[in-house]
Amino acid sequence: GQNIDQPTEMTATEGAIVQINCTYQTSGFNGLFWYQQHAGEAPTFLSYNVLDGLEEKGRFSSFLSRSKGYSYLLLKELQMKDSASYLCAVIDSNYQLIWGAGTKLIIKP
Amino acid sequence: DGGITQSPKYLFRKEGQNVTLSCEQNLNHDAMYWYRQDPGQGLRLIYYSQIVNDFQKGDIAEGYSVSREKKESFPLTVTSAQKNPTAFYLCASSATENTEAFFGQGTRLTVV
Repeated sequence: GQNIDQPTEMTATEGAIVQINCTYQTSGFNGLFWYQQHAGEAPTFLSYNVLDGLEEKGRFSSFLSRSKGYSYLLLKELQMKDSASYLCAVIDSNYQLIWGAGTKLIIKP
Repeated sequence: DGGITQSPKYLFRKEGQNVTLSCEQNLNHDAMYWYRQDPGQGLRLIYYSQIVNDFQKGDIAEGYSVSREKKESFPLTVTSAQKNPTAFYLCASSATENTEAFFGQGTRLTVV
């Protein structure tokens, strides 16, 4: 079966750095997305990785290793507004999007 | 402004009634999707459509129906056959299958 694993919940301190991991086992791979979702709202796009390596976008960076079936989202200089769920999603060989359950990130002052 | 609109944001229905959730996009996207999200779970695909007048069942299509008569519109009907319809429903669209999806604000359906 296809599976995406993320930690259920993480806690970090305002101003610090946090890394949210995502491991996947899917039938093929055509790209990986990270989305942010605040409670009760729709997910919003953060990043897309299809090749190995690090993609940096402001305070957020996303890393991919296709050989390891692994990605992480790195959030720097954490702000209270970063408290949200972070969803990892993989496009499989049939171009179907497989979603992880999300990681709830709690930021403390 | 381009975007994707779902309505209403909150919806209450009595058990046994069918209900239709609206989804409209003006992004000129070919692909549209309906997801269901329950607490502590990832997004689960109900139906998707890659072109007008064509749609495919997702992982949890039972008890739901859709239509795609226009490129801009992809309404979802939650029928009385859906055993546990109370959930947060999200509509999304994307230009192609492997480009980012844009989501509507979601509809929280409560069946009493």
